[in-house]
Amino acid sequence: ELKVEQNPLFLSMQEGKNYTIYCNYSTTSDRLYWYRQDPGKSLESLFVLLSNGAVKQEGRLMASLDTKARLSTLHITAAVHDLSATYFCAVGRWDTDKLIFGTGTRLQVFP
Amino acid sequence: EADIYQTPRYLVIGTGKKITLECSQTMGHDKMYWYQQDPGMELHLIHYSYGVNSTEKGDLSSESTVSRIRTEHFPLTLESARPSHTSQYLCASRGDAGYRANVLTFGAGSRLTVL
Repeated sequence: ELKVEQNPLFLSMQEGKNYTIYCNYSTTSDRLYWYRQDPGKSLESLFVLLSNGAVKQEGRLMASLDTKARLSTLHITAAVHDLSATYFCAVGRWDTDKLIFGTGTRLQVFP
Repeated sequence: EADIYQTPRYLVIGTGKKITLECSQTMGHDKMYWYQQDPGMELHLIHYSYGVNSTEKGDLSSESTVSRIRTEHFPLTLESARPSHTSQYLCASRGDAGYRANVLTFGAGSRLTVL
């Protein structure tokens, strides 16, 4: 059974600091996603990672994938308040056609 | 610029009522999904569909039912709502080909409260 774990579950960080969110999954997967969710809102797609070693960057966020370690990271550089949200990783497989979500990491960035 | 629409956005209803949450997409996607999410918690897959007349149960057991009579429409129904059904319900879809096949697009969600 595919399980997805994120840590930390909650992260409070000061503006300007760097931090990394980790996403571990239990079985082989074809694809890994990162989503952002603002309070009371739906999910916004951030990154799709499809192969070992894939790295994608958008603004202050950078995501990477290590399929051998079954680990993805979301690195935040010089955090700003606008990044405050909950971040979910999700792992999928073509054969099951399902996407399993992690527990989410609630990020708060304060001045 | 999501092309997947959910109605109602918010619904407060009494116990025992029948409710239908609507989900429509204009992208021609074959694959559609319903996720349930309690506030601040992870998403759980409750139903999915590969196309017209195809419906499957997800990983989380749910008393709701779904139908897929048209490609663009994937409604979720609760025959008799209970307080334990209070949650946010998120509909999503994805395409079959190319890069878009790898992206799951979500609707804005339907927040259901059962009193």
